[in-house]
Amino acid sequence: GENVEQHPSTLSVQEGDSAVIKCTYSDSASNYFPWYKQELGKRPQLIIDIRSNVGEKKDQRIAVTLNKTAKHFSLHITETQPEDSAVYFCAASITGGGNKLTFGTGTQLKVEL
Amino acid sequence: DAGVIQSPRHEVTEMGQEVTLRCKPISGHNSLFWYRQTMMRGLELLIYFNNNVPIDDSGMPEDRFSAKMPNASFSTLKIQPSEPRDSAVYFCASRIGVENTEAFFGQGTRLTVV
Repeated sequence: GENVEQHPSTLSVQEGDSAVIKCTYSDSASNYFPWYKQELGKRPQLIIDIRSNVGEKKDQRIAVTLNKTAKHFSLHITETQPEDSAVYFCAASITGGGNKLTFGTGTQLKVEL
Repeated sequence: DAGVIQSPRHEVTEMGQEVTLRCKPISGHNSLFWYRQTMMRGLELLIYFNNNVPIDDSGMPEDRFSAKMPNASFSTLKIQPSEPRDSAVYFCASRIGVENTEAFFGQGTRLTVV
């Protein structure tokens, strides 16, 4: 089955700096890669996603890149702010593959003032 | 729609007792997932259903765990007997299953087994 690995497990940046979180997946058939943000004590919520027919997607300060050949994808947050502090999860899924959604182990991002 | 609804929000039980967690997915969503969240393992997929049918239960830790989805609007996750190592936050999520779309999470059930 699909295996998603995520690094780093914790990340601390200064406010205004950029943050990058990386994930790798094992199943080359995976074609949908969402990113979820989970604030303390709350549920995970989607912040951005990318499909395998696209190499990069941006939404204001966040962007995701996908390298299908290497089977890895990354989340980029620019101009980080304290409210970006949260746990971020990457995930992978396959259209028609039973719809299974497999998550990475999460990255605790801390943005320091 | 009120979103994915889970109950209870918190559950404290004694070791050996049966625990039942409940989930109501978003109306129209035909895929339902149960995840367990711990610090060590992140979001582990326990089991998921498509059109009320269990598709993959390989993530269920052992026979003490079971899940059902008797209809499109209700699912349960049962632990019998419960053990302290089952303590975690359990999330239910649902999405439209035909194509890859956003999965919506419930607020989770925080289970503590003492």
